[in-house]
This record gives sequence, C-alpha cells and structure tokens, in this order.
Amino acid sequence: SQQGEEDPQALSIQEGENATMNCSYKTSINNLQWYRQNSGRGLVHLILIRSNEREKHSGRLRVTLDTSKKSSSLLITASRAADTASYFCATDQAGTALIFGKGTTLSVSS
Amino acid sequence: DTAVSQTPKYLVTQMGNDKSIKCEQNLGHDTMYWYKQDSKKFLKIMFSYNNKELIINETVPNRFSPKSPDKAHLNLHINSLELGDSAVYFCASSHKTSGSRETQYFGPGTRLLVL
Repeated sequence: SQQGEEDPQALSIQEGENATMNCSYKTSINNLQWYRQNSGRGLVHLILIRSNEREKHSGRLRVTLDTSKKSSSLLITASRAADTASYFCATDQAGTALIFGKGTTLSVSS
Repeated sequence: DTAVSQTPKYLVTQMGNDKSIKCEQNLGHDTMYWYKQDSKKFLKIMFSYNNKELIINETVPNRFSPKSPDKAHLNLHINSLELGDSAVYFCASSHKTSGSRETQYFGPGTRLLVL
C-alpha cells in the first residue's frame, strides 16, 4: 500500500536549533497530518493541513504543504530536549485509512 | 480522564494461546481503529469501525477478530498467537466526517510479546 516517506530517518541537533523533517507521498490527498511519538508512548496529533492550504503554524511548529510536489515539511523552531521523539506524517487519501510514514527520529541534546 | 485507554499495557504469552486487548474511548467519537506498530516503528492500519460497523479490514490474518460492543469500545481478539504477532498494538478514535479522516487520538499501546 502507498505510504508517506519521511526524510531524514534520523536527525540529531542541539537545543535551540531548528529541526526540519520532510514527508513525500504518492497520490492526491484530502489532508496531511503530523504526529509525535515519545518513546514507549502512543502517537499525539500535532497539526493537520488540508489539501487547499499551503502553510500552517502551531506554536513552534510550522508545516508546509506542496501538493504539486506531493510533499510536506515540519519545522520545529528553537528545539528543546523535550522535543526528542519520533515524528510521523500521515496522509488521508480518499477511500483509505490514514497512511503513516516510517517516521523521523529526532534527538535534541542539551 | 484518559481519552483513549487500552488494557493490558503489556502482554507476554506463549505461541498458540488466544488473547484479547480492550480499548475504550470517552471522546464521543464515532470511529475507532486498531493499528499494529512493528519493531521498525512502521504503523499499519488493521481495522476501522464506524458506529459499531466494520468499515476497513486490511489484509490481516483471520486469527485477528475485532469486536465492537458499542461505539465507545473496540476490542481485539487474537487466536493461535504466532511469534510474528509480537508488536505494539494501538487503538485510536476520531470523528468521522464525510470524505476525510480527521485527527486521530491514540491510546498508550499494548506491547505484545509472543514467546
């Protein structure tokens, strides 16, 4: 089945730096969602961007969507150690369930 | 006041056994899901129920049988457990809107280890 692909697979940065993760997908979508998973926990919804939106902000998070390139990016500004987690994009493709990517593991060191 | 809860949190069992995982949501959502997350963190949908009715059934062995007694509960029963069933199983719920899938709320997961 088709799925989003996050890039990079792993990212290590220092506190205060920005972290950017990318997601690519294959077919047209209704919306694209980003989730965070802390180690040993369930997924937590971060942000949803609809196919007719190009950019969305939530606190230190900025998500962009380029439907012509079938890609999205998640930017976390001024990262903190507490941002250490795995980040997943999920695409809502008509007629199917949400399809999750394989995730980007972010490590923020102090 | 946990939104989506699952029991048990950990499950260690022998091959061939039958086990159940329970899920409850108190968010008033119409749609509930079961996902399987493998050791590489790949998350795959297994089942989706809307108002107690099965709407998504991915390619899952028929040893897995979901049951929804009411729209707030979706349980997963697994027969004849195999080593490859070892994974983390997540329950989730969402509002269902026509044509699109909205924010999903996940439970804490059930870590299943089959020996």
